[in-house]
This record gives sequence, structure tokens and C-alpha cells, in this order.
Amino acid sequence: AQSVAQPEDQVNVAEGNPLTVKCTYSVSGNPYLFWYVQYPNRGLQFLLKYITGDNLVKGSYGFEAEFNKSQTSFHLKKPSALVSDSALYFCAVRDPTGGYSTLTFGKGTMLLVSP
Amino acid sequence: DAGITQSPRHKVTETGTPVTLRCHQTENHRYMYWYRQDPGHGLRLIHYSYGVKDTDKGEVSDGYSVSRSKTEDFLLTLESATSSQTSVYFCAISQRGVTTDTQYFGPGTRLTVL
Repeated sequence: AQSVAQPEDQVNVAEGNPLTVKCTYSVSGNPYLFWYVQYPNRGLQFLLKYITGDNLVKGSYGFEAEFNKSQTSFHLKKPSALVSDSALYFCAVRDPTGGYSTLTFGKGTMLLVSP
Repeated sequence: DAGITQSPRHKVTETGTPVTLRCHQTENHRYMYWYRQDPGHGLRLIHYSYGVKDTDKGEVSDGYSVSRSKTEDFLLTLESATSSQTSVYFCAISQRGVTTDTQYFGPGTRLTVL
């Protein structure tokens, strides 16, 4: 079974500082990993995904994520946070082994960026 | 929101009544999904469809049924709504359904069951 954990319910950071939103996963094979962002009263927007290759994945709005197989992590990062980055962030995983499988989402991490 | 509309966007209903939510896409994507979002649970898959008339259950399918008679429409029915089905419901689509596929989400429907 596949699972994903987001250990922090909320992350607080000051504008201009770097931010990290943590994600760890559990799958039986090599994972496919995704990050989504949800702004208030909106649907989820795709940020980036890791399928294979370079462990550092770049995505939308200046976000990037680092895949670390030994630590089974896929943390979301941004060098300089903006107030407008305040939103709910979801990590998701898919195990590609054994045929088609659906996405499993974490519980979400609320990011609050203060001016 | 990636050519996906959901209707209604908000609905209040009473326990025991049937409710149907509609997802409509203009992308001609083969795969469509219904999720529910609840605090502390993230998103959980209810049902998904891999083609017209082809559907399968997700993690939390009890009390829900789906139908897909056309590529562009995926309906979610709560046969007899209960208060535990109060939630925000999201539809998603993906082009091929292969494991590298990205899912794109609609704007959501907020359902309150009194």
C-alpha cells in the first residue's frame, strides 16, 4: 500500500525567507510524486512532479522540490517566500508497480507567509 | 481550472434525500475522478472512470454511485445523503491514466447535509 505523510499541519515563514514544506512517502516500488497548491475556495493546482531523473524538480511560481530516495522524502522549497504563497499544500504519491494505481494524498500543510 | 466545471458549486440538502453532482470537462480526457476533501484527511478518492461506462471504486465509495454516459460528463450521486457526507467534492481529470499522468482539478462543490 502506498501512503504519504505531511508532518506539519502549518508552517509559518516571514516574507523573503526561504520556505520548506515537508513530505515523506511509502511505496513498494519507485514512487511518482506530486505537489499541489490550494488557494481559498479554489480547486487544487498542480505545482510539480517527480517521475525520474534529476532529484531536483522545478515547478510553477518559483517552487522546487527535492527527491531523496534514502530518506523517502520529497520536500517542497522556495528560496524567497511571498505573502501570496500563503495557501494549503498537498503532497501526493503514486506507486507505478503492479499496474494502474491511483494517487494518494497527504493531509495537507497550511503555509502562512507573514509580511 | 483546466477546462473543468462542477455544478452546483454549493448545495444544502437534508438527510435522506438523493443528490447528484456533475463534473463537465472540455479537454476530452479519458480519465475522470471524484474526491472528497475533509479537514485532517486531505483528499480521498471516491470513484473514478477510465472511459465511457467504465468506472471503479476508490477508497471511500460507500454511499456513492457514479455514471459516465459521455466522455465529458461524470456524475456523482449520493443515493441517500447523510451528515457524514457533508464535504467539499472535487472532480479531477487526467489524459491517459498512466502512472506518470498529472491530474487536474475542478473548482469544487461544497455540500452540506443537514
